[in-house]
Amino acid sequence: GAGVSQSPSNKVTEKGKDVELRCDPISGHTALYWYRQRLGQGLEFLIYFQGNSAPDKSGLPSDRFSAERTGESVSTLTIQRTQQEDSAVYLCASSQDAGRARQGFGPGTRLLVL
Amino acid sequence: SQQGEEDPQALSIQEGENATMNCSYKTSINNLQWYRQNSGRGLVHLILIRSNEREKHSGRLRVTLDTSKKSSSLLITASRAADTASYFCATDGQGGSYIPTFGRGTSLIVHP
Repeated sequence: GAGVSQSPSNKVTEKGKDVELRCDPISGHTALYWYRQRLGQGLEFLIYFQGNSAPDKSGLPSDRFSAERTGESVSTLTIQRTQQEDSAVYLCASSQDAGRARQGFGPGTRLLVL
Repeated sequence: SQQGEEDPQALSIQEGENATMNCSYKTSINNLQWYRQNSGRGLVHLILIRSNEREKHSGRLRVTLDTSKKSSSLLITASRAADTASYFCATDGQGGSYIPTFGRGTSLIVHP
């Protein structure tokens, strides 16, 4: 079946602009996760959804970051007033339920803030 | 802080050799997973090992788990150039959390 998809694949933006990153999880997966990965680094947890609710937003680095999920499906990660340090690959993953099944990962969105 | 930490950070071997990567974690877990990542993009799930399992095999991959030492190892036998990638362990169940927590990864280079 279809895996996790993310769009856009790449995004170049100017400092101060807002960006929206989209994730389409595997159909039927109730849990959805966002991670950030800086060059050569590990995965930094940002936020996860169980259904449309986000029980844990502790990983969001600042109030410029927000995310929502609708219809227990698509999720959007929004970064407002982007900064150069926001440049990274943003990875989305989904699983059948939170933490108890393996995650399927999307290919990521590579964000570059100039 | 990172729950899982891989060791070594980088590993360079010749094709045909075995590659062993280790992962240590801090708190009790329900399961541990190993993933592979090529070129800084999406991760591919390799193996999940549950806390009541000690060893698991999948093709050329062998994973062990020692809950008393809070450590796991991933062995790739008869490595190939195509195995060149970063390998991450992920744990869940930390303090009741269902969020898989990743280490920084081991960068493996297999020279042809």
